[in-house]
Amino acid sequence: DVKVTQSSRYLVKRTGEKVFLECVQDMDHENMFWYRQDPGLGLRLIYFSYDVKMKEKGDIPEGYSVSREKKERFSLILESASTNQTSMYLCASSIDTGNTIYFGEGSWLTVV
Amino acid sequence: QKEVEQNSGPLSVPEGAIASLNCTYSDRGSQSFFWYRQYSGKSPELIMFIYSNGDKEDGRFTAQLNKASQYVSLLIRDSQPSDSATYLCAVVFPSNAGGTSYGKLTFGQGTILTVHP
Repeated sequence: DVKVTQSSRYLVKRTGEKVFLECVQDMDHENMFWYRQDPGLGLRLIYFSYDVKMKEKGDIPEGYSVSREKKERFSLILESASTNQTSMYLCASSIDTGNTIYFGEGSWLTVV
Repeated sequence: QKEVEQNSGPLSVPEGAIASLNCTYSDRGSQSFFWYRQYSGKSPELIMFIYSNGDKEDGRFTAQLNKASQYVSLLIRDSQPSDSATYLCAVVFPSNAGGTSYGKLTFGQGTILTVHP
C-alpha cells in the first residue's frame, strides 16, 4: 500500500511564525502535491512538484513556498503565518501525472 | 478556468437504495477521472478511476463516463449508512508548465451523501 505520511497532525502557531509542514511518501512517486481544504471551498492546490528540486505553483500559492530536496520528501513552508492560513493541509503523491493520487492523513493548522 | 462541477447536496437516500452522484467538467481534452470518498475529519480515499467511455463496475460501485457530454457519475447500489460521506469528483486537465506537459488534477466541491436507516 502507498503510504503518505504527514508528521504533524495538529499544530497551533502564532501570527508571524514560520511554519514547516513535512510530508514523506514511500512509493518512489514522481509527483507530490500540497492542497488545503476549507469548508465551502473544497480542495485547492497550493504547489506541486513533478521531480526533485522542481516545483510549480498551483491555484493559491501566495503566502506559501515548498521544498523538494529528495524524491520522497515534500515540505510546505509558511514564511509568516497569518490567521487566514488556518486550514487542513493535505499532502498527496502520484506515480506520474494523470494517475491516482494518494493522500496523507492531513495536518490541521490553527494560526492565532 | 478549468472547472469540475458537482451538486453539493446533501443527497439523502434510504438504506438499500441506489445513490447517484453526478459531475460535469469543462475540458474536452480530459482523459482521467476519479471518485474519492471523504469521511468527516479524514483525508480523501480513492474509490474508483475511469478512463474510457462507458461503465466500470467495482462491487457496489459503478462509474459512468460520457466524454461527449463531459459527464461522469458514480452509482452506489444497496447504499449503507457507512456510505454516508462526501464524494469528490476529480478530473485530470491537460496542462503545461516550464515546457513540460503534465496532467493537473482538479477536484469538484464534493457531494454530501447521507444514507438513512
